[in-house]
Amino acid sequence: GQNIDQPTEMTATEGAIVQINCTYQTSGFNGLFWYQQHAGEAPTFLSYNVLDGLEEKGRFSSFLSRSKGYSYLLLKELQMKDSASYLCAVRRTDSWGKFQFGAGTQVVVTP
Amino acid sequence: EAQVTQNPRYLITVTGKKLTVTCSQNMNHEYMSWYRQDPGLGLRQIYYSMNVEVTDKGDVPEGYKVSRKEKRNFPLILESPSPNQTSLYFCASSTRDFPSPLHFGNGTRLTVT
Repeated sequence: GQNIDQPTEMTATEGAIVQINCTYQTSGFNGLFWYQQHAGEAPTFLSYNVLDGLEEKGRFSSFLSRSKGYSYLLLKELQMKDSASYLCAVRRTDSWGKFQFGAGTQVVVTP
Repeated sequence: EAQVTQNPRYLITVTGKKLTVTCSQNMNHEYMSWYRQDPGLGLRQIYYSMNVEVTDKGDVPEGYKVSRKEKRNFPLILESPSPNQTSLYFCASSTRDFPSPLHFGNGTRLTVT
């Protein structure tokens, strides 16, 4: 079957670090994306991994292990504006145009 | 400003009344796609288009039609809407150059009664 799993919700305090895990089983793998979506708004692109390892972009980092079908998004120095849903998405190889998204992880940042 | 524009933002309609949600992008992107977002299910792909006159089904195409007559436009058509199509819809576009992240429109909240 095809599945992308992420936790439903995570809570953390301002200034802390949160790690959002994503596991996937899809029809092939052609890259994994992370998006941020604030309530009532469109998703916006955060990061992309196609090879194993860590990609760092400022306060956000994303890690990929293709052999384990696993990725995580690390958010450091959390700010209140980071309260949002974080979506994990895989581009499939059965067709370049096909994307599969996880249900999203709601991150709540508390003061 | 580079953007994907969807219209309308909100739409309430009745079962069976044909409707079209428009999507237009000004970034000269080859790839465009439609998603619906439902609580607990995340974004599910309805249709996508790799270029003009080329469209393919995503994971949930039943009850929807699309067309891609021009590069910038990719309308979503519901010929006979039903209540189970009540959802939040997003259009997205991208280039075909690596890594090709998706640029999303602001969404259309559709209610079918």
